[in-house]
Amino acid sequence: AQSVSQHNHHVILSEAASLELGCNYSYGGTVNLFWYVQYPGQHLQLLLKYFSGDPLVKGIKGFEAEFIKSKFSFNLRKPSVQWSDTAEYFCAVNGRDSWGKLQFGAGTQVVVTP
Amino acid sequence: KAGVTQTPRYLIKTRGQQVTLSCSPISGHRSVSWYQQTPGQGLQFLFEYFSETQRNKGNFPGRFSGRQFSNSRSEMNVSTLELGDSALYLCASSLRDRSYEQYFGPGTRLTVT
Repeated sequence: AQSVSQHNHHVILSEAASLELGCNYSYGGTVNLFWYVQYPGQHLQLLLKYFSGDPLVKGIKGFEAEFIKSKFSFNLRKPSVQWSDTAEYFCAVNGRDSWGKLQFGAGTQVVVTP
Repeated sequence: KAGVTQTPRYLIKTRGQQVTLSCSPISGHRSVSWYQQTPGQGLQFLFEYFSETQRNKGNFPGRFSGRQFSNSRSEMNVSTLELGDSALYLCASSLRDRSYEQYFGPGTRLTVT
């Protein structure tokens, strides 16, 4: 069965620090990978996605993620965070058996302090 | 383009009642998926509809059902509400193209008392 594991549940950083959130998935076939963000009081927004091609993908607001197929990982990074990056981040996967079903990780709450 | 809209935004129901939630997808999107978000279980997939047909289903009891109309709007229904059904119910729409990325609405906050 598909599963998605996010390594950290809570991360606290200072502004200008670098951020890396880990995501590992378990699925044997072709997958698409996503990172979503949920800012306080707002709905889920797509940060970036990978479905083929260059394994290093760039998204909105300076975020990027690297797909490492051999490690079943899709880690999210941002070189320098801002207070406005405080949010919950979700890794998600869909696979060929069920493209319409996103399997989400548990989420990582990121707090950026001024 | 307008985003995914969901109505109502907030709902309070009593245990044993039933409820119907509505979702209007982004114009041109024909796939609609529903998710339940709770602090304990996180985001869980309920079902997906495409062309008025259920294409995928999650592990929820039969009290949870849905449908899709010819204009791609979708509804989900929960019958015989239980306290544990209190959650944020999210709808997402998709073009159902290669990447199958989904765009989420603001959700309906359901409280069962």
